Amino acid sequence: QVQLVQSGAEVKSPGASVKVSCKSSGYAFTTYGISWVRQAPGQGLEWMGWTSAYYGDPNYAQKFQGRVTMTTDTSTSTVYMELRSLRTDDTAVYYCARDRSSSDYWGQGTLVTVSS
Amino acid sequence: QSALTQPASVSGSPGQSITISCTGTSNDVGDYNYVSWYQQHPGKAPKLMIYEVTNRPSGVSNRFSGSKSGNTASLTISGLQAEDEADYYCSSYRRGGTQVFGGGTRLTVL
Repeated sequence: QVQLVQSGAEVKSPGASVKVSCKSSGYAFTTYGISWVRQAPGQGLEWMGWTSAYYGDPNYAQKFQGRVTMTTDTSTSTVYMELRSLRTDDTAVYYCARDRSSSDYWGQGTLVTVSS
Repeated sequence: QSALTQPASVSGSPGQSITISCTGTSNDVGDYNYVSWYQQHPGKAPKLMIYEVTNRPSGVSNRFSGSKSGNTASLTISGLQAEDEADYYCSSYRRGGTQVFGGGTRLTVL
């Protein structure tokens, strides 16, 4: 069965970086992309970007351009999302999701807390 | 980048039908048939309910249906059940290769 398993919760200080992993299994990894979506406490979903092993450069939301990097390791079917220069308003649950024209399978979410 | 516009809340009684709207622009909803709808229960990951405007993934009840007219997409839930109470989000492909979500709609089953 399709599974996306994300790395565990993180606590970071303002200005630091965080790198969240998303390991896929149960499907042909290179035939789908992975989207990253975050959700701040009590807030809605926010699309951060998309990457794939087959399509070339990632697409990032303008809001995160210059601060986010999404990379793919096809040998382990794992996608990484690194967010730099963290601020307190980056505190959120970060989700990865398998994506082609829509996000049909989601990871369990990774809580990233940014606090001084 | 502005989010798609959804009503903050809708409500209905068991057995009734409700519709949630999702308004975008000609740069997203109006020009692309890549509108999706997600259901999210508290503390859970979102679940895909509708993709490409009208399509239901395997396992999603046929009480859920999607449509689109111009720049506005809609999700209709018929025969409301208590378990449908959740937050619902629309999303659309946007010109330039990005994606955008709506602000979310809280559905209350009375």
